[in-house]
Amino acid sequence: EAGVAQSPRYKIIEKRQSVAFWCNPISGHATLYWYQQILGQGPKLLIQFQNNGVVDDSQLPKDRFSAERLKGVDSTLKIQPAKLEDSAVYLCASSSAGKAETQYFGPGTRLLVL
Amino acid sequence: SQQGEEDPQALSIQEGENATMNCSYKTSINNLQWYRQNSGRGLVHLILIRSNEREKHSGRLRVTLDTSKKSSSLLITASRAADTASYFCATVSNDYKLSFGAGTTVTVRA
Repeated sequence: EAGVAQSPRYKIIEKRQSVAFWCNPISGHATLYWYQQILGQGPKLLIQFQNNGVVDDSQLPKDRFSAERLKGVDSTLKIQPAKLEDSAVYLCASSSAGKAETQYFGPGTRLLVL
Repeated sequence: SQQGEEDPQALSIQEGENATMNCSYKTSINNLQWYRQNSGRGLVHLILIRSNEREKHSGRLRVTLDTSKKSSSLLITASRAADTASYFCATVSNDYKLSFGAGTTVTVRA
């Protein structure tokens, strides 16, 4: 069974530029999560999708971050414009159930904003 | 949202020794999960313990949960160099919101 795929693995941009991350969850997994992990901290949930609907985006900075999950499969997370404090690893995870059971994580995208 | 807090922040042990780390949380939970993160990689799910369970085992891992004290512990027995990683507890609230703690960094010395 293929795992959660993410791309790109690394991205370096300058502040005020835009960036997009892509995630393809495990086939058949209805729930998809995006996390932000700042160095030395635990992952922080940004947004949770159930199929193509948003379940929780309470910690998503909506003035600059957006995410979509068209057709309930893969997802993109965008930052526009980026700030220095957005430097972090962005992790995508998926689970088969919607009740925060076992999550399977992708390798993450490491973002550096200069 | 609630968040688990791991203790200690860092742990260094000799290969073959046991490693114990603790997680405390603030409000009622549906379940608690432990994850491992190797340097530069994604998180790997280790074990899930539900609020009505007190202890679970998986290979060399033993997890306990004390809901009266709002705490959990993860024990790794007979540690190996490959156990060097960061370990995170994640609490799942009764409305299924998941929150991660800051993690415990474990170093196993050969």
